[in-house]
Amino acid sequence: DAKTTQPPSMDCAEGRAANLPCNHSTISGNEYVYWYRQIHSQGPQYIIHGLKNNETNEMASLIITEDRKSSTLILPHATLRDTAVYYCIVRVVSNQGGKLIFGQGTELSVKP
Amino acid sequence: DVKVTQSSRYLVKRTGEKVFLECVQDMDHENMFWYRQDPGLGLRLIYFSYDVKMKEKGDIPEGYSVSREKKERFSLILESASTNQTSMYLCASRRRFTGELFFGEGSRLTVL
Repeated sequence: DAKTTQPPSMDCAEGRAANLPCNHSTISGNEYVYWYRQIHSQGPQYIIHGLKNNETNEMASLIITEDRKSSTLILPHATLRDTAVYYCIVRVVSNQGGKLIFGQGTELSVKP
Repeated sequence: DVKVTQSSRYLVKRTGEKVFLECVQDMDHENMFWYRQDPGLGLRLIYFSYDVKMKEKGDIPEGYSVSREKKERFSLILESASTNQTSMYLCASRRRFTGELFFGEGSRLTVL
């Protein structure tokens, strides 16, 4: 199973871009990178995912390096409500369906 | 909007009691999951189900069982609750093909 490595915590000033890195050096060719976040006392929320191309949606952008060994989640204009734990995970496929393995995540604090 | 509903937000049970945690999704998803979340340990997969009456053990199935009689409902059962099962329990369902997980709000169980 491909594992991910993220910094345990980061700070970001309100209104600035938050760039959250993730290392997944053992990722295999058919595995996707997913990002979720969890605001305190709530269930995790899906943000974005990608395979090899960069992706953007209304919440964030995902930049995946050409060798796919790392990625960066970008929140272009962070707000106080973006304070959360952010999880970078890689999809593992086994038998039917597949399971997502969550690591420890990065605790992002957005400060005024 | 996508919705995953967990039956109880907070529960307090006594050691040895049988506990049912119910989860319902309205998205016609085939895959459903139960996780528990503990400080310092992140999210750990207990069981998942890839279709009705199908189930597969996750990483920490001991002390738990599950039931999936209907597609929309996935139940987690603690046959005889113990204090080390005090935790936040999170249910999720997964969108087919693209693989995003949608989580419920969580059920915080305290076993006394």
